[in-house]
Amino acid sequence: AQSVTQLGSHVSVSEGALVLLRCNYSSSVPPYLFWYVQYPNQGLQLLLKYTTGATLVKGINGFEAEFKKSETSFHLTKPSAHMSDAAEYFCAVNFGNEKLTFGTGTRLTIIP
Amino acid sequence: NAGVTQTPKFQVLKTGQSMTLQCAQDMNHEYMSWYRQDPGMGLRLIHYSVGAGITDQGEVPNGYNVSRSTTEDFPLRLLSAAPSQTSVYFCASSLHDREGGTGELFFGEGSRLTVL
Repeated sequence: AQSVTQLGSHVSVSEGALVLLRCNYSSSVPPYLFWYVQYPNQGLQLLLKYTTGATLVKGINGFEAEFKKSETSFHLTKPSAHMSDAAEYFCAVNFGNEKLTFGTGTRLTIIP
Repeated sequence: NAGVTQTPKFQVLKTGQSMTLQCAQDMNHEYMSWYRQDPGMGLRLIHYSVGAGITDQGEVPNGYNVSRSTTEDFPLRLLSAAPSQTSVYFCASSLHDREGGTGELFFGEGSRLTVL
């Protein structure tokens, strides 16, 4: 079955430290991959996406993600965390149909 | 640009009552969808539409009804509300990529529903 797994429902990092949020998927066909961010009491907004081409994708606010087909992963990183990065982050995958499947989310806390 | 507009933002219902959550977009997007967000479960797709007159079921369609009479509007109807439908509901729209399914989804700000 096609699925999306986000490891770690809560991640805490110190301000200025590396942010790493993990996303793995299960699929036999190349998917389209997305990361969305949700700030409190708001809807989701797109951080970045991978469809085809270069496997390292840069998004907004200094985030980037790398598609690794052999590992079926699309981990999100940011070299230096900022207080404004505190939010919930969702990995989402389109498996080649009309539906976007979301992971369960990772809440990122930034420690001053 | 208004983007995706959802109304109401908050609603309290009693078990058995019916209601409609409204969703409108002004981006001429073909694709529209409804998700519900529950703690620890992420977003789950309820129904979606790839154009006016076309709707289909998502992952959790039971207890919900949709219609798509225009490109702009995609209302979600709760026929007989149950406490299990207490959730935050999000409407989202996108251009329809026929080769890859959905494109980037644009979300509304959500509608928080409580069923007593």
